[in-house]
Amino acid sequence: QVQLVESGGGVVQPGRSLRLSCAASGFIFRSYAMHWIRQAPGKGLEWVAVISDDGSTKYYGNSVKGRFTISRDNSKNTLYLQMNGLRAEDTAVYFCAKCPGWPDRFNYWGQGTLVTVSS
Amino acid sequence: DIQMTQSPSTLSTSVGDRVTITCRASQSISSWLAWYQQKPGKAPKLLIYKASELESGVPSRFSGGGSGTEFTLIISSLQPDDFATYYCQQYDSYPITFGQGTRLEIK
Repeated sequence: QVQLVESGGGVVQPGRSLRLSCAASGFIFRSYAMHWIRQAPGKGLEWVAVISDDGSTKYYGNSVKGRFTISRDNSKNTLYLQMNGLRAEDTAVYFCAKCPGWPDRFNYWGQGTLVTVSS
Repeated sequence: DIQMTQSPSTLSTSVGDRVTITCRASQSISSWLAWYQQKPGKAPKLLIYKASELESGVPSRFSGGGSGTEFTLIISSLQPDDFATYYCQQYDSYPITFGQGTRLEIK
């Protein structure tokens, strides 16, 4: 069955960097676009970024553009999110998610990893 | 960017009630709309896609409708397990956007 397992969250100071990972299994990873979505504590869902199946196309949400970079390693079935210049407002649970199409609904989600940006 | 507006933000309801949640898009998104249910501490769960298609395994008391800019999620007879927060999401174009959520609470 499809599994998405995020890791790499933690507490980080403002301005610092963090890299999140999402390990995928149960499907042909290299055939699907993958997304990051986040949720600040007590708030709604915010789409962060998408990467195409082959990694050639990437889009970002306005609030992270220029600071975050999405990437993937299809040989390791792993999705990444490099977060630079972190701000307090980036504090959130970060989910990775799989879509059947481009763009599309999110039919599988990971359990999420919490990133806290605080001094 | 396409703005998604849900109403109401909170709904006080009872088991057995028929519940309707509305989602409006700032421009036409055809039928490229999904609905999710989220419980505290959990990832969202896909309920409906393409405005009215029921995701596999989702109970038939959930239904969706609409096209263009106006959409609805209907729960025909609310069950105890349905008290949660519901989100709409448009996937007509990037950036993907979500509604702000509708929380169902026990009356």
